[in-house]
Amino acid sequence: GNSVTQMEGPVTLSEEAFLTINCTYTATGYPSLFWYVQYPGEGLQLLLKATKADDKGSNKGFEATYRKETTSFHLEKGSVQVSDSAVYFCALSDGGYSTLTFGKGTMLLVSP
Amino acid sequence: DADVTQTPRNRITKTGKRIMLECSQTKGHDRMYWYRQDPGLGLRLIYYSFDVKDINKGEISDGYSVSRQAQAKFSLSLESAIPNQTALYFCATSDLKGQSTGELFFGEGSRLTVL
Repeated sequence: GNSVTQMEGPVTLSEEAFLTINCTYTATGYPSLFWYVQYPGEGLQLLLKATKADDKGSNKGFEATYRKETTSFHLEKGSVQVSDSAVYFCALSDGGYSTLTFGKGTMLLVSP
Repeated sequence: DADVTQTPRNRITKTGKRIMLECSQTKGHDRMYWYRQDPGLGLRLIYYSFDVKDINKGEISDGYSVSRQAQAKFSLSLESAIPNQTALYFCATSDLKGQSTGELFFGEGSRLTVL
């Protein structure tokens, strides 16, 4: 079956530091890959996505590249802000009639 | 107003009580989902529905039931609540028409505490 593994948190950074949150997946076929973000007290919202190998998703300064050869979709940001403090979830979808499979989430804490 | 609305937002109840969590959406999506979120476990799918006449169990459906009353409404019931059902519950919707790739739209969550 499908699965998503992401690094455990919390990840604690100072403002303007470089961020990487690792995500690897197991899936049959060619899934679409997603990063969702959950700010405190809110529901999840889509941050970025990639639908095929070598695609790069980007939004709000965050980027992730779909690497089929390493089955990875690592999230990166060059300079984090305090407002980026949230829980980040990696997810995949086989499309069609499948549902999303989520990783366990990684909490990011950014201090001034 | 939110596109995906959950009620109640917070609820404290006692073991053995029946609880219903309601979800309504204005996005016009066919697909609706119920997830629960627990610390360290991420999101786990309870039930999902791809249209009004379709109900499917997710990975943790035991102890829960659902009803899809209309395209816009999907409710989750706990017939006899127990303490390990204490969690944050999320409703979500999606639309897979055309070339869309299954982005989910989440409500703000319902925090349930079972004493």
